[in-house]
Amino acid sequence: QGRLVESGGGVVRPGTSLRLSCVASGLTFSSSGMHWVRQAPGKGLEWVAILWFDGSTEDYADSVKGRFTVSRDNSKNTLYLHMSSLRVEDTAVYYCARDTGYYYDSAGYSYNWFDPWGQGSLVTVSS
Amino acid sequence: SSELTQDPAVSVALGQTVRITCQGDTLRSFYAAWYQQKPGQAPVLVTYGKNNRPSGIPDRFSGSTSGNTASLTITGAQAEDEADYYCYSRDTTNNHVLFGGGTKVTVL
Repeated sequence: QGRLVESGGGVVRPGTSLRLSCVASGLTFSSSGMHWVRQAPGKGLEWVAILWFDGSTEDYADSVKGRFTVSRDNSKNTLYLHMSSLRVEDTAVYYCARDTGYYYDSAGYSYNWFDPWGQGSLVTVSS
Repeated sequence: SSELTQDPAVSVALGQTVRITCQGDTLRSFYAAWYQQKPGQAPVLVTYGKNNRPSGIPDRFSGSTSGNTASLTITGAQAEDEADYYCYSRDTTNNHVLFGGGTKVTVL
């Protein structure tokens, strides 16, 4: 099943930067696509970024594109989220989650899911 | 753009059955996954694929799909099932990740 543990959150001023880390154990990190998902206080889940298992492909939500960068160090089983030009609206709990890859059935459906998730790291952007 | 739509809230009497729905065009070819989230905790996977449950998830949770609608059914709801539930899908044309807005389930 595995475990993910985030760290690096805190209180920062608007316009500054912060880096989150997510350390994996008990799973094959180097062969897993990884995601960051955030949840603003009292709000729903918002996908933030994806990084493929080998770091070759990344993608971002429009709300963070150009400001956030996802990276990984497979030798350390660690995923990172570099956040810059932070805004008040970036305040959220940030979760990392493993992508299980795509599956297909005979009916022509595909499916996929995130599991496990980390416990989350709170980032508060406030002046 | 693709999106997933859930009812904001639903209530169910203890021991009764409740169905939570999620609508979206991607669900015509992608089986939704469902997550349970309790206050202050990370989301927990409850169903995935056509109707699969991870180990440790009670069999009162089941998933289904029809057309553009995915459903999570709790048969015989328990007090501990009170939580927010989120559906998840992917737009396979661009690999974008989609979450529904969440449904708050209250067990009366």
